[in-house]
Amino acid sequence: AQTVTQSQPEMSVQEAETVTLSCTYDTSESDYYLFWYKQPPSRQMILVIRQEAYKQQNATENRFSVNFQKAAKSFSLKISDSQLGDAAMYFCAYRPNFGNEKLTFGTGTRLTIIP
Amino acid sequence: ETGVTQSPTHLIKTRGQQVTLRCSSQSGHNTVSWYQQALGQGPQFIFQYYREEENGRGNFPPRFSGLQFPNYSSELNVNALELDDSALYLCASSFPHSEAFFGQGTRLTVV
Repeated sequence: AQTVTQSQPEMSVQEAETVTLSCTYDTSESDYYLFWYKQPPSRQMILVIRQEAYKQQNATENRFSVNFQKAAKSFSLKISDSQLGDAAMYFCAYRPNFGNEKLTFGTGTRLTIIP
Repeated sequence: ETGVTQSPTHLIKTRGQQVTLRCSSQSGHNTVSWYQQALGQGPQFIFQYYREEENGRGNFPPRFSGLQFPNYSSELNVNALELDDSALYLCASSFPHSEAFFGQGTRLTVV
């Protein structure tokens, strides 16, 4: 069974600084996706960024980028120029690219932005 | 194009009762997945429906059941509610092999 581990329950960063959230996962599959979702107090899961396992290039979306290390099964999220609106719970998630494609989530990291 | 909407937003039920949660998928999406998110945890996969058929189930007992309708909207039914069923229930819709879009969830409290 696939597992996703987020070892940082809470993180904080000064506004405009850079922060990195960690995630590791375990799978025996080779074809899958990895995601970072943001869940603000409004509760709705919002996709931040995704990475396809067969792509070696790390994904980037504006201020958000990932460091995908497939052999180490590591998938960290870097947020640059942190903004107050980035404060939320961040979940790392795994999805196989076959079958019912269910998402397996980590336990989340609560990110606080210090003004 | 409308997003994923869930109803109700909040619900309080008594132990032993039954509850039905509803989800309207994003326009055209034929796949709906349900997740349970306990307080302080990540969401856990309950089951998925694809074109009105169940397409995979997580580690949840049979008292958790669902339906998907021809318009691809969906229901989650929970019978014989237990205190541990208190959680945020999230619905996500998608096409196969594409991004899942989540609703805002239904907060269920069992007393």
